[in-house]
Amino acid sequence: DGGITQSPKYLFRKEGQNVTLSCEQNLNHDAMYWYRQDPGQGLRLIYYSQIVNDFQKGDIAEGYSVSREKKESFPLTVTSAQKNPTAFYLCASSGGRSNQPQHFGDGTRLSIL
Amino acid sequence: SQKIEQNSEALNIQEGKTATLTCNYTNYSPAYLQWYRQDPGRGPVFLLLIRENEKEKRKERLKVTFDTTLKQSLFHITASQPADSATYLCALDTDTNFGNEKLTFGTGTRLTIIP
Repeated sequence: DGGITQSPKYLFRKEGQNVTLSCEQNLNHDAMYWYRQDPGQGLRLIYYSQIVNDFQKGDIAEGYSVSREKKESFPLTVTSAQKNPTAFYLCASSGGRSNQPQHFGDGTRLSIL
Repeated sequence: SQKIEQNSEALNIQEGKTATLTCNYTNYSPAYLQWYRQDPGRGPVFLLLIRENEKEKRKERLKVTFDTTLKQSLFHITASQPADSATYLCALDTDTNFGNEKLTFGTGTRLTIIP
């Protein structure tokens, strides 16, 4: 079945540590996205990529970094510069044209030890 | 500033009744609007898309309306069932220069259908 796989489901980080969240899709989608979801705040866009080797900052990119070396993969690194990293992180992809719905993974919940 | 508001954070509806959720926006002129369903601990799942030139869209027990004058979309679930209990999110395209679509999401309405 085609879809988006995020791993791990739960992740714990120590203060001052970088962690990388995985996102893989087999939908052959060009565009991929990372969102952060906090209670009562909805989804906020961190980074997005329209094509391999290209990505743009979203609304809350500070303290995060991404890469897009392969079409299928869009990993997100939460750096130690992100002061409030505890959240539910969602990865999505879409077909690359307007009016296309986004397909989401089941998220990674990141907590600070 | 741009803003998307969804009515009441939580909505309780008796089973069998129609649930109506509201999405209001300001300072946007979206070409389309999408609705998603999200279950606890899961990612959102796409339900329906309605374009600016469409007044209404239906899919089984779901109906969406889009009033660009009022800057409002209504999402209806008829003959509601306990299995419809979830958080529902509306999303608007908010960057026409993006090429693909860049969506801005509302905060969601948590719907509970009471047996």
